[in-house]
Amino acid sequence: AQRVTQPEKLLSVFKGAPVELKCNYSYSGSPELFWYVQYSRQRLQLLLRHISRESIKGFTADLNKGETSFHLKKPFAQEEDSAMYYCALKPDSGYSTLTFGKGTMLLVSP
Amino acid sequence: EPEVTQTPSHQVTQMGQEVILRCVPISNHLYFYWYRQILGQKVEFLVSFYNNEISEKSEIFDDQFSVERPDGSNFTLKIRSTKLEDSAMYFCASSERGLGASEQFFGPGTRLTVL
Repeated sequence: AQRVTQPEKLLSVFKGAPVELKCNYSYSGSPELFWYVQYSRQRLQLLLRHISRESIKGFTADLNKGETSFHLKKPFAQEEDSAMYYCALKPDSGYSTLTFGKGTMLLVSP
Repeated sequence: EPEVTQTPSHQVTQMGQEVILRCVPISNHLYFYWYRQILGQKVEFLVSFYNNEISEKSEIFDDQFSVERPDGSNFTLKIRSTKLEDSAMYFCASSERGLGASEQFFGPGTRLTVL
């Protein structure tokens, strides 16, 4: 069975500082990885997916199959980045379900 | 922009009562999901639904749970006899496709409190 681990419950940084939210996964195949974000009082929404290789709101994430990681990075954090971030995995076996990590709360202080 | 909607936003019920949580997926989506999040824990998959039948379900989704698409727009989750441990946030999601990196769009959630 697949598993997603986000080791940090809370990450607190100052505005302008670099941010890295860690995500490690356990899965024997080639999964698809996603980052979802939940801003205060809003719904879960997709931030980015590894297959797109894109930068959204300054965030990037690279899938490292050797280290089974999909860390989310941003070089300069902004206050509006404060939110709950969830890493999620979808198996490559034809199933559509998402397995989520526990989430990391990012707090960006002025 | 179309969104997934859920009603009610908060449901309080007595243990042993039946509850029905309602969701209206995005209209051209074909795949529907229920997830739940117990306070302080991770978002957990319950069930996926496609072509009027369950396509996948987790261990959590036991005989107490059922899903239905009664009228072509609503997607419901029924819990027959609620337990205290069913208290959680329940999220509905939908996607255009099931396979590949098809984005799942989430509703705002229904907070279920079982007393």
